Amino acid sequence: DSGVTQTPKHLITATGQRVTLRCSPRSGDLSVYWYQQSLDQGLQFLIQYYNGEERAKGNILERFSAQQFPDLHSELNLSSLELGDSALYFCASSVGTTTPGELFFGEGSRLTVL
Amino acid sequence: DAKTTQPNSMESNEEEPVHLPCNHSTISGTDYIHWYRQLPSQGPEYVIHGLTSNVNNRMASLAIAEDRKSSTLILHRATLRDAAVYYCILRGLRGAQKLVFGQGTRLTINP
Repeated sequence: DSGVTQTPKHLITATGQRVTLRCSPRSGDLSVYWYQQSLDQGLQFLIQYYNGEERAKGNILERFSAQQFPDLHSELNLSSLELGDSALYFCASSVGTTTPGELFFGEGSRLTVL
Repeated sequence: DAKTTQPNSMESNEEEPVHLPCNHSTISGTDYIHWYRQLPSQGPEYVIHGLTSNVNNRMASLAIAEDRKSSTLILHRATLRDAAVYYCILRGLRGAQKLVFGQGTRLTINP
């Protein structure tokens, strides 16, 4: 158990819909990272937040957005869903942003768009 | 981000040592070498990291070449549970601390 909690574990929805994925980081971790893993693209970095502020952006689509709340949990919002958005979405957390320490990953949220 | 090169797949036998290579010829002086692994149906998990010297922990050893252009993750005695995709990642001290994953090496362990 990494200490990172992601909900829901599984989600099935239809094209055009909007979903929200939630992540609770490990206690004390200020940084949250979101990754997308699809069969053909591997693990892709989407976005990082540190203590409520966006710190880095990767290959995140404009239809996707994220935020980190004062209690440090984070949400990833996916809208106007397309079939190609079907993937595993992982959240990870770490203590800070400048130490070379480890990232702790959750078990992921599996999104299926029909 | 500096690039790493790993074999797509490797195979080994249970209870034998496994040496997973990684080339990173464009590594900069402040890049740490990180290894993560992803077991089937799970999120990635940290294995080990190092800068210049060889490192050991309860999971594995990391051997870093003197010129730092390559490294080797060593599993001293593989078990079936070690079957996973292993990722070698460079991570700088400055800037955002995101991990950029490549394709990794899929390790198969034969009983």
